Amino acid sequence: GQNIDQPTEMTATEGAIVQINCTYQTSGFNGLFWYQQHAGEAPTFLSYNVLDGLEEKGRFSSFLSRSKGYSYLLLKELQMKDSASYLCACVDSNYQLIWGAGTKLIIKP
Amino acid sequence: IAGITQAPTSQILAAGRRMTLRCTQDMRHNAMYWYRQDLGLGLRLIHYSNTAGTTGKGEVPDGYSVSRANTDDFPLTLASAVPSQTSVYFCASSDSTSGGGNTQYFGPGTRLTVL
Repeated sequence: GQNIDQPTEMTATEGAIVQINCTYQTSGFNGLFWYQQHAGEAPTFLSYNVLDGLEEKGRFSSFLSRSKGYSYLLLKELQMKDSASYLCACVDSNYQLIWGAGTKLIIKP
Repeated sequence: IAGITQAPTSQILAAGRRMTLRCTQDMRHNAMYWYRQDLGLGLRLIHYSNTAGTTGKGEVPDGYSVSRANTDDFPLTLASAVPSQTSVYFCASSDSTSGGGNTQYFGPGTRLTVL
């Protein structure tokens, strides 16, 4: 079967660094997305990885290891506005997205 | 219009009633999708359309139907609503289905409550 696992909730302090992990098992793999979703809003695109390694985009970085079925999203210099849910999604063999349940990130001052 | 719009924003519906959720995009994207999002679960695909005139079933299609008469519009119909269809519904679109890196862009969502 297909499965995406992420922690349900994480707490971090403003100004700190946090790493949100995602492990996956899917039928075929054509890349992995991270989306951000603020409460009551739509998901918005953060990153896409298809090759192993780290992709850096400002304060946010995303890492992928295809052999381990593992990805993480790294958020640096946390700001209060980063309080949101972070969704991991894999592209399967049919090019459909399989979504994790999301990680709710709480930022404390 | 810029991006994807959905209507209505929210709706309370009596069980057994028929309801159509509307979705319109102005980005000329080929592919469109309908998801439902429930607490504690990931987004689940209901139906999709790779191009105008074609539709396909996703993970949870039962009780829902879609049509894709043109590129811009992708309505979702609940023929006879049941309480288990209470959820937040998101419409999304992407430029193409070929290749894995086609980002999906989401509408603001419709919050539906079936009593």
